[in-house]
Amino acid sequence: EPEVTQTPSHQVTQMGQEVILRCVPISNHLYFYWYRQILGQKVEFLVSFYNNEISEKSEIFDDQFSVERPDGSNFTLKIRSTKLEDSAMYFCASRSDRVDTEAFFGQGTRLTVV
Amino acid sequence: GESVGLHLPTLSVQEGDNSIINCAYSNSASDYFIWYKQESGKGPQFIIDIRSNMDKRQGQRVTVLLNKTVKHLSLQIAATQPGDSAVYFCAENGGDAGNMLTFGGGTRLMVKP
Repeated sequence: EPEVTQTPSHQVTQMGQEVILRCVPISNHLYFYWYRQILGQKVEFLVSFYNNEISEKSEIFDDQFSVERPDGSNFTLKIRSTKLEDSAMYFCASRSDRVDTEAFFGQGTRLTVV
Repeated sequence: GESVGLHLPTLSVQEGDNSIINCAYSNSASDYFIWYKQESGKGPQFIIDIRSNMDKRQGQRVTVLLNKTVKHLSLQIAATQPGDSAVYFCAENGGDAGNMLTFGGGTRLMVKP
């Protein structure tokens, strides 16, 4: 069964450093997302990406965040200068362009900023 | 602002009993709803979905009910098993560009043997 894969599974970084979280969405999907989940809290939307551009973003997705689809398979989230409060699980998701279909989520990257 | 929320943060049931997890939403423009299950350390996993032109949908051991009048969604799990222990989230799609899903706060289901 096709799945969304994320790497790394766990990333520890120093405050102020840049991190790149990587995702390989399901191959025939056209909508890509990043969500964040702080420990014990709900899943929060960060950004959606379609047709090589951001289609929607939340207030969390400020100037320190960026997304990129550098080739036909990868979808990345870059955090330019990490803060302690960026520590969370980051989930990538993808979705087909059929109306009313679920988003498929990866297993997540646990980001720990120290 | 618009939000999706859950009534109970924790639900404890006996193995074999039926479970009901509730969700309230406030965005009247929402037209598609999904229940996700999240086990510890894993990503959300799709359980069942329902469109706003339906009021009930059944899957294997799960049923989702939608009451648009009171903007309420519920997930019923029949014959709850220990493997059902997880956090359950409802999510809604208001038809925004990019088809963003908005998640509720989550209910932890604990199944006692």
